[in-house]
Amino acid sequence: GAGVSQSPSNKVTEKGKDVELRCDPISGHTALYWYRQSLGQGLEFLIYFQGNSAPDKSGLPSDRFSAERTGGSVSTLTIQRTQQEDSAVYLCASSPDRDRTEAFFGQGTRLTVV
Amino acid sequence: GNSVTQMEGPVTLSEEAFLTINCTYTATGYPSLFWYVQYPGEGLQLLLKATKADDKGSNKGFEATYRKETTSFHLEKGSVQVSDSAVYFCALLSGGSNYKLTFGKGTLLTVNP
Repeated sequence: GAGVSQSPSNKVTEKGKDVELRCDPISGHTALYWYRQSLGQGLEFLIYFQGNSAPDKSGLPSDRFSAERTGGSVSTLTIQRTQQEDSAVYLCASSPDRDRTEAFFGQGTRLTVV
Repeated sequence: GNSVTQMEGPVTLSEEAFLTINCTYTATGYPSLFWYVQYPGEGLQLLLKATKADDKGSNKGFEATYRKETTSFHLEKGSVQVSDSAVYFCALLSGGSNYKLTFGKGTLLTVNP
């Protein structure tokens, strides 16, 4: 596709359940990022993947959060035992290795934990 | 650490008014600076960027100049349109972690006809 694709666009889940959020980056982009956009908190960095290097997970807020990137392309962000404070919009972005100054964002997944 | 402070909104203007959204930053080294825009129901889009001091980024009538002496990157537009209504985010990319964008909290702009 032409842009970064995220699915689902909306997810409502019960507290305590696990959720998986998917990101398809732009073809050929080696760098992939996850951010979280919370009301009143702005945008927070979660995790970064670059090629085959070990990911930078320093932004993950707890060990309930994990992410993987298979085959250097699609990424999945998993939140286990969801809590109400996990409610937010989760944004994925990708950028070409040659120019990390431009990140292309998907439309995000709005997660609501009830 | 890195941080971005931008003007709190919301900002409400009439069409053709002049817009300024202030942004200042704290960063190590020589950051690259960005304005991203989020239109209603859409994802974040890069609006403009500047990668070194005194550079001016411009796009769609918006401009911002990288001022190292004042650590600022204020967004301006001479005549706003209703279609400019959106949330605007100032951001920086800096230091050893030259892939983590640090964002301001965003400014909601509403332009009335």
